[in-house]
Amino acid sequence: DTAVSQTPKYLVTQMGNDKSIKCEQNLGHDTMYWYKQDSKKFLKIMFSYNNKELIINETVPNRFSPKSPDKAHLNLHINSLELGDSAVYFCASNRGTSGGEQFFGPGTRLTVL
Amino acid sequence: DQQVKQNSPSLSVQEGRISILNCDYTNSMFDYFLWYKKYPAEGPTFLISISSIKDKNEDGRFTVFLNKSAKHLSLHIVPSQPGDSAVYFCAATDGGATNKLIFGTGTLLAVQP
Repeated sequence: DTAVSQTPKYLVTQMGNDKSIKCEQNLGHDTMYWYKQDSKKFLKIMFSYNNKELIINETVPNRFSPKSPDKAHLNLHINSLELGDSAVYFCASNRGTSGGEQFFGPGTRLTVL
Repeated sequence: DQQVKQNSPSLSVQEGRISILNCDYTNSMFDYFLWYKKYPAEGPTFLISISSIKDKNEDGRFTVFLNKSAKHLSLHIVPSQPGDSAVYFCAATDGGATNKLIFGTGTLLAVQP
């Protein structure tokens, strides 16, 4: 059983397009996250939801919009894609906000041409 | 402003020997530290953690040491095995309301048979 899954694994698209990445966790966790790993391999938090409520919103362009339909899902929608959006995006989950390890999905490699 | 630093981008060790991966941090509010292991094309996998109230935590071949006064932690792997070859990320959190993880840039460990 996959604990944290993401779709698609690879996404290649043109500049200006709108795309979505989906994330689902079957761990019963309350908190989910989106991280971006850029070309320099730096992993940085973007957003976090706890029980469908946004609790972290880092300095991310407003072209990025997370959506959590329920606490098991956190999707990432990106409008007007730019070359600099090319990166690997990781979803993660955690049982709460009071500490403990986060469990990561396999990542989605986004390439913007 | 990088609050968590891993100054060695890579490390090569012979099988059976000890691997020592280092991590430094600048934020004195960090109170929980984690090590993640990452294979290519996979998400980070939790390895071991340590709370700031401890100076050592051991789990099998993996031991993490924390020196709060020096704001330094290290991961020891003994004995090293070829399957340990991966990128190792150090991460820290201040235990605040969001459990936001701040990651280092990673160290690529190569264990030579």
